[in-house]
Amino acid sequence: DTGVSQDPRHKITKRGQNVTFRCDPISEHNRLYWYRQTLGQGPEFLTYFQNEAQLEKSRLLSDRFSAERPKGSFSTLEIQRTEQGDSAMYLCASSSPEDPSGANVLTFGAGSRLTVL
Amino acid sequence: QKEVEQNSGPLSVPEGAIASLNCTYSDRVSQSFFWYRQYSGKSPELIMSIYSNGDKEDGRFTAQLNKASQYVSLLIRDSQPSDSATYLCAVNTRLLDSSYKLIFGSGTRLLVRP
Repeated sequence: DTGVSQDPRHKITKRGQNVTFRCDPISEHNRLYWYRQTLGQGPEFLTYFQNEAQLEKSRLLSDRFSAERPKGSFSTLEIQRTEQGDSAMYLCASSSPEDPSGANVLTFGAGSRLTVL
Repeated sequence: QKEVEQNSGPLSVPEGAIASLNCTYSDRVSQSFFWYRQYSGKSPELIMSIYSNGDKEDGRFTAQLNKASQYVSLLIRDSQPSDSATYLCAVNTRLLDSSYKLIFGSGTRLLVRP
C-alpha cells in the first residue's frame, strides 16, 4: 500500500459546475477525514467517516457539499454549483484506531486542488 | 479565540541556528499533539507527536508540551535550508463517538537562510 491516494490532483472548473473528488485511504485504516485548506491557512476539518458511517460534519460544509464512503473503503466529496470561494486544496486523511499510541495519527494524501473560475 | 494559535511568521533563522516554533491551544482536555511540516503546494507530513508533559526528541527535532499552560513548541536544531517550510501545530479534539479529529493552527512559515 502506497498511502492515501487522491484523484484528481488538480481540477479547474467554471462557477456553477459540479465537481467530485475521490480518496482511497490506506487499506487497513477505517477512519477517513476530509479537510479543506486555503492559502495561508491551516487545514480546516470538513467531515469524518468511521467505516461507512459519516459521524461528524463541520458547519463549514454547506448543503452544496456531500461526502460518501460506500462500503467503508474509498470516499467521494462532491461540490454542487461551485462558487469561487470553493477554490482550495481538498485534503483527505486516514487513520487507524489500532495506532499503538491510541492517538489517532493522520496520514494525508497529496490533495486535490480546485480552482473555480 | 481560535482553538489552535500559531504566529504566522515568517520566522527567519540562519543556517545552523535553532528555530523555535510555538503553539497554544484552547481545549484543556486535549491529550495528543502533533507537528506537521508542509512544503509549498504539498500536503502536510507528520514530523513529531507528543502526548506527555515535557520534552520529546527525535533527531534534530524536539517537541515540548506543557498542558498546564496549554502550550506546545517545536525546536529544530542545526537548521538547514531544506527545513524551510510551513510548520502546522495540530491538536486532537474528541468527537461524539470517542474518536478524534485534528484541529490545526494556521501554521508558522520558517525560512532558513544559507
